[in-house]
Amino acid sequence: EPEVTQTPSHQVTQMGQEVILRCVPISNHLYFYWYRQILGQKVEFLVSFYNNEISEKSEIFDDQFSVERPDGSNFTLKIRSTKLEDSAMYFCASSYQGYEQYFGPGTRLTVT
Amino acid sequence: AQSVAQPEDQVNVAEGNPLTVKCTYSVSGNPYLFWYVQYPNRGLQFLLKYITGDNLVKGSYGFEAEFNKSQTSFHLKKPSALVSDSALYFCAVRDRDTGRRALTFGSGTRLQVQP
Repeated sequence: EPEVTQTPSHQVTQMGQEVILRCVPISNHLYFYWYRQILGQKVEFLVSFYNNEISEKSEIFDDQFSVERPDGSNFTLKIRSTKLEDSAMYFCASSYQGYEQYFGPGTRLTVT
Repeated sequence: AQSVAQPEDQVNVAEGNPLTVKCTYSVSGNPYLFWYVQYPNRGLQFLLKYITGDNLVKGSYGFEAEFNKSQTSFHLKKPSALVSDSALYFCAVRDRDTGRRALTFGSGTRLQVQP
């Protein structure tokens, strides 16, 4: 059964550094998403991407964040200058028609 | 604004007994509703959805959920719990009428099934 994959599973970075989180969505899906979950808190929506552009973003998704689909299979989330409060589990998701979203296993980002 | 409430942090049930995990939602329009399950060190796994039509929806692993518009609820149920059902369960909502695709999640309910 097709799955969403994410790399790395765990990323440790220093405050102020740039990080790129990578995702490979399910191959025939059209909509792509990033969510995050700070430890002990709810899963929060960050951004959705369709037809090579951002279709929706939350207040969390400020100028420090960007997304890209560079080659038709990968979907990346970049954080330009990480802060301590960016430490969280980041989930990538994809969907075909926009109903149920299928999530990857997550990347745990630790900012020190 | 849309929101989801899962009033129980944890639900304990004995194996073989029926289980219910509660969820209530708030949206300005009509909802799309979802249940996801998370096992340790794994992502969110889709269980079932309510889009429209029959209020009782069936999903994976014997789970079902009942949509109740008047009570704005979407409780997850299973007739006979298994120890392997022990996990973290999330309810999520999306407003059908706005066209937004962002899911809003509840805080999660930990289900513990005792042998």
